[in-house]
Amino acid sequence: DAKTTQPPSMDCAEGRAANLPCNHSTISGNEYVYWYRQIHSQGPQYIIHGLKNNETNEMASLIITEDRKSSTLILPHATLRDTAVYYCIVINAGGTSYGKLTFGQGTILTVHP
Amino acid sequence: ETGVTQTPRHLVMGMTNKKSLKCEQHLGHNAMYWYKQSAKKPLELMFVYSLEERVENNSVPSRFSPECPNSSHLFLHLHTLQPEDSALYLCASSRVSGGREQYFGPGTRLTVT
Repeated sequence: DAKTTQPPSMDCAEGRAANLPCNHSTISGNEYVYWYRQIHSQGPQYIIHGLKNNETNEMASLIITEDRKSSTLILPHATLRDTAVYYCIVINAGGTSYGKLTFGQGTILTVHP
Repeated sequence: ETGVTQTPRHLVMGMTNKKSLKCEQHLGHNAMYWYKQSAKKPLELMFVYSLEERVENNSVPSRFSPECPNSSHLFLHLHTLQPEDSALYLCASSRVSGGREQYFGPGTRLTVT
């Protein structure tokens, strides 16, 4: 699975959009971009994933650049409850690691009132 | 509320005790996972079950014994643990075996004294 790079921390004002970047310059054609988050003392939470097209669900939007070397997770209207560590991971859909998720350091997003 | 519940949420046990962690998923998923998350260490996949059959045992010591009586329930039986086994134990499920869209429970915070 390709390596990802994320900023260690970001701040966002409540009600504003939070844009979390992720660099995955070595991504290969059959690798997906997944985003998870983990709120303090809770289990990780799946947010969204995509291959090449932009994706949107009730939680967030995922924008993947045309060359697929980077992506941005967008929380359109951040709330205090969105304060968490956000993980961007790249996964080979055809891999044989039995569903193993490996998180890096992630981005600590702090939403301020 | 992710549809995955875990009990107990907190557990303190001595090294000679025997205890069990329970996980239940209400999502109709076919695969279930046990992960261990220690402070300042990456998420570690322990066991994977697909349709009640264990498909992965990630070099976990025998003092951890999983059980999957049906596709909705997963147990982790603990005996003669060591203090270094203190961690957050997370259960997750996915629709298909090896799926990376996984839904996690809140975890059991285990302390071994």
